[in-house]
Amino acid sequence: GDSVTQTEGQVTVSESKSLIINCTYSTTSIAYPNLFWYVRYPGEGLQLLLKVITAGQKGSSRGFEATYNKETTSFHLQKASVQESDSAVYYCAYNNRIFFGDGTQLVVKP
Amino acid sequence: ETAVFQTPNYHVTQVGNEVSFNCKQTLGHDTMYWYKQDSKKLLKIMFSYNNKQLIVNETVPRRFSPQSSDKAHLNLRIKSVEPEDSAVYLCASSPPNTGQLYFGEGSKLTVL
Repeated sequence: GDSVTQTEGQVTVSESKSLIINCTYSTTSIAYPNLFWYVRYPGEGLQLLLKVITAGQKGSSRGFEATYNKETTSFHLQKASVQESDSAVYYCAYNNRIFFGDGTQLVVKP
Repeated sequence: ETAVFQTPNYHVTQVGNEVSFNCKQTLGHDTMYWYKQDSKKLLKIMFSYNNKQLIVNETVPRRFSPQSSDKAHLNLRIKSVEPEDSAVYLCASSPPNTGQLYFGEGSKLTVL
């Protein structure tokens, strides 16, 4: 069936270091889905971080990037240099009935 | 800027009581959703409505019932709450075709 799998649990990174949060999806649909990363900062609502609707393209926002790879069905989230303010819960999602990954808690240490 | 409004933001109640959460969106979207986010931050879809019609009804206990008076409003009623219903309930809306969701800030339910 359809599913989204992302890096589990908590990821701890020191400030200014690089980050990757893995995301892969599985779908029975013949259509390529739209892919999303959502983020929930402490005390705020869940919001869109970035999206890509065309396979092969890259989305970016706030220094984060993710490339839609249809061969590997992946949409990993990367940032070259994280800041303490990036500490949040990140969710990978795609729009076939809006499936979400289980969320990854990012903790950035000063 | 918030455009999906949920009330109440917090609710504490006892097992067996009835609870209602309200959601209104001012974005003009036709589709609205209820999600449940549990203590482990897992986010699961519960219901989806398109222009007042139920289109997605995931496997949730029968004590949960959505209600939509018009496409801008989607409420969630829980008839007799259980301890496992403690969670944050997130309302969202989306425009057609993109799949992008716009979320409210959530309604946190604590069942004692």
